[in-house]
Amino acid sequence: KAGVTQTPRYLIKTRGQQVTLSCSPISGHRSVSWYQQTPGQGLQFLFEYFSETQRNKGNFPGRFSGRQFSNSRSEMNVSTLELGDSALYLCASSLRTGSADTQYFGPGTRLTVL
Amino acid sequence: DAKTTQPPSMDCAEGRAANLPCNHSTISGNEYVYWYRQIHSQGPQYIIHGLKNNETNEMASLIITEDRKSSTLILPHATLRDTAVYYCIVRPPDSNYQLIWGAGTKLIIKP
Repeated sequence: KAGVTQTPRYLIKTRGQQVTLSCSPISGHRSVSWYQQTPGQGLQFLFEYFSETQRNKGNFPGRFSGRQFSNSRSEMNVSTLELGDSALYLCASSLRTGSADTQYFGPGTRLTVL
Repeated sequence: DAKTTQPPSMDCAEGRAANLPCNHSTISGNEYVYWYRQIHSQGPQYIIHGLKNNETNEMASLIITEDRKSSTLILPHATLRDTAVYYCIVRPPDSNYQLIWGAGTKLIIKP
């Protein structure tokens, strides 16, 4: 079974621009979660989508948004980019069965904001 | 805040067993212990998880103490490719899918 895929793998943007990152979950997985990883803050939860609905949200400003499509693919968008948004953005998918449910991560998108 | 405490770094000789400890003294009865690892700049890789009983898979073994306040991840025959940051995470099995990550343990396997 193919793993979680994320595109693009690397991205360079300038301050004020916006960016859209894409995540394709493992086939059959309906939950997609997004995380931001920076050297200073470590891994932090952004949000989770299940059945096209945001089910859980971390403590990030409204500039960070996401959506999920009917095929479970997800996108996250960051508007008005700031230098501090430079990070590795990780996507994870899971079955969301309600029991011990394992999240499997993609390789990440490395975003650099200049 | 992370619910777990791990040593910031550890060394292990190649071919030996690597034993990574994790303290989770405030764990609740229905919370699982998960282990992930992250090799430099890659996405975290799932290793193993458990609730009460010890668990083993092709990658590692997880030993959970009887009071569930701590656990140990065992890599039985460490190789250089096992050099990574290892994260121990406690999470409930319900609808909260937010994983709370600590700083992890940087494991360095030495030849």
